[in-house]
Amino acid sequence: KNEVEQSPQNLTAQEGEFITINCSYSVGISALHWLQQHPGGGIVSLFMLSSGKKKHGRLIATINIQEKHSSLHITASHPRDSAVYICAVRPLGTGNQFYFGTGTSLTVIP
Amino acid sequence: NAGVTQTPKFRILKIGQSMTLQCTQDMNHNYMYWYRQDPGMGLKLIYYSVGAGITDKGEVPNGYNVSRSTTEDFPLRLELAAPSQTSVYFCASSYSAENTEAFFGQGTRLTVV
Repeated sequence: KNEVEQSPQNLTAQEGEFITINCSYSVGISALHWLQQHPGGGIVSLFMLSSGKKKHGRLIATINIQEKHSSLHITASHPRDSAVYICAVRPLGTGNQFYFGTGTSLTVIP
Repeated sequence: NAGVTQTPKFRILKIGQSMTLQCTQDMNHNYMYWYRQDPGMGLKLIYYSVGAGITDKGEVPNGYNVSRSTTEDFPLRLELAAPSQTSVYFCASSYSAENTEAFFGQGTRLTVV
């Protein structure tokens, strides 16, 4: 049983398209993180959310705590957005642990 | 700031060899973590530390050891490498446990042959 489920697993988009990646989780959380991993590269934190919505450039992250669901949106996608996007949650009461999704592999075609 | 620095970036080990993956952070973070990432799986926690001198097991600690003699450094030791330890290893740190951003290193790709 995976506490964090992401969809889709793989996504191919044309440059300029609006992209949505979804994350559902099954436990109470104190925070949710969206991470980005480029091929062969390290992991970079994009957002940390505990409620509402955050925006950074072309990236928007939303969370609905009651629904246990978060979405990552990319507006006007670009080939440099091609990466694996990982959702991770901090369960309540277990501050030392993250639960990670398996990632969504995004390819943006020029 | 350098953030979280891991060395080496790549390593090939023979079965039964030992090695230490180094991790250092310059952000004065209390919490440090070691994860492994296997194909098609989410990251799994190997060991973590909540401060110098304190370490604890995560989800997949077998075959690994850690130490935390300073706030900055959190090395991961493999004593008898096995093919099942072929993976990409990530070190991470955060200031505290709740509602703080985590910072990750660049990863170490380890192959055991």
